[in-house]
Amino acid sequence: SYELTQPPSVSVSPGQTARITCSADALPKQYAYWYQQKPGQAPVLVIYKDSERPSGIPERFSGSSSGTTVTLTISGVQAEDEADYYCQSADSSGTYVFGTGTKVTVL
Amino acid sequence: EVQLVQSGAEVKKPGESLKISCKGSGYSFTSYWIGWVRQMPGKGLEWMGIIYPGDSDTRYSPSFQGQVTISADKSISTAYLQWSSLKASDTAMYYCARVNSNYGMDVWGQGTTVTVSS
Repeated sequence: SYELTQPPSVSVSPGQTARITCSADALPKQYAYWYQQKPGQAPVLVIYKDSERPSGIPERFSGSSSGTTVTLTISGVQAEDEADYYCQSADSSGTYVFGTGTKVTVL
Repeated sequence: EVQLVQSGAEVKKPGESLKISCKGSGYSFTSYWIGWVRQMPGKGLEWMGIIYPGDSDTRYSPSFQGQVTISADKSISTAYLQWSSLKASDTAMYYCARVNSNYGMDVWGQGTTVTVSS
């Protein structure tokens, strides 16, 4: 089955840059999406189609893609960015899949 | 305002049946897929399946095929997730989300907690 692998955790000091990778185990890779989930809340879309930012999402959130790896970058991390982040894509049959999730801790 | 409102928390016994709902408003309910996502306690997000309310085209994740049934009633802009015989392992938070072909899952319900315990 298609899998998306993320690091379990990333720690970053306020004002620094956090980078979260999401690696697919096979080609082809379809577009990736990123969701932020804070404790007790529903997920929120922060990046779509690899690198596009929905309206209302701060500019410090950006996305990029290279080969079978996509990356979510949070520049100038703020305390409010502490959350779990999930990537999401689809396999060649169109079955959606979520990444394993990354907990971002702001030190 | 575009929103999805889910039904309230449920507490059930093993073997019981259950149907939870997700009501859309503020947009054309029949023009977007609705997806269901499971989150077990302390765990990550799992894709269960999607339905297109316009024609009830439904697709399941292989992990959930045969375990749940996804349906929709477009006349009342509501999607459903149901179980015929619950297990303790179905204890989880369940989210519905609007699947936008351009933007991904751009609108989420507030979640429905399902607890299955004897």
